[in-house]
Amino acid sequence: SQTIHQWPATLVQPVGSPLSLECTVEGTSNPNLYWYRQAAGRGLQLLFYSVGIGQISSEVPQNLSASRPQDRQFILSSKKLLLSDSGFYLCALRIWGTDTQYFGPGTRLTVL
Amino acid sequence: SQQGEEDPQALSIQEGENATMNCSYKTSINNLQWYRQNSGRGLVHLILIRSNEREKHSGRLRVTLDTSKKSSSLLITASRAADTASYFCATDLTGGGNKLTFGTGTQLKVEL
Repeated sequence: SQTIHQWPATLVQPVGSPLSLECTVEGTSNPNLYWYRQAAGRGLQLLFYSVGIGQISSEVPQNLSASRPQDRQFILSSKKLLLSDSGFYLCALRIWGTDTQYFGPGTRLTVL
Repeated sequence: SQQGEEDPQALSIQEGENATMNCSYKTSINNLQWYRQNSGRGLVHLILIRSNEREKHSGRLRVTLDTSKKSSSLLITASRAADTASYFCATDLTGGGNKLTFGTGTQLKVEL
């Protein structure tokens, strides 16, 4: 079965610093991959999704970018973090031909 | 605005009671899914109901879908303390392109 790893689990960064969050998956090939952000006590906001290597769709204009350099690797980045970037970042995958999404354990980002 | 809105936002019940959560959405869907999130963790898929289905069961879970009213409900029977979590509905929109739109969630607390 598929497994999603997210690294790091927790991160505290100063405003203006760069960011790189990594998501790697195992147990499946050519999945759709998704980055979500969840503010405290709120629902999930879809940030980016990818249907294949190098293919990224952005859902909302913001201070973040995403890349998919390998089939099972999805990276969320920022050149300069803002206070508003704080949140819980979740990576998810969807196996081709199915409808369910599987989520990773998440990364808690605090920008100070 | 959110596609899915859960009601109530918070629910507190005693162990053994049933818990009912509702979700309303705005546009045509392919399917509707319910997910569970324990505090600080990733989401776990519970159940999926397709637009041509009206009711679905999985263990102690019962989901209904009324496409004419654009609403769904999740019933957890004989609740347990371990059911304490946030529950989210997510809609797979017609023509939505492999994306899910999540609601704001219901926080369920089951007390002993």
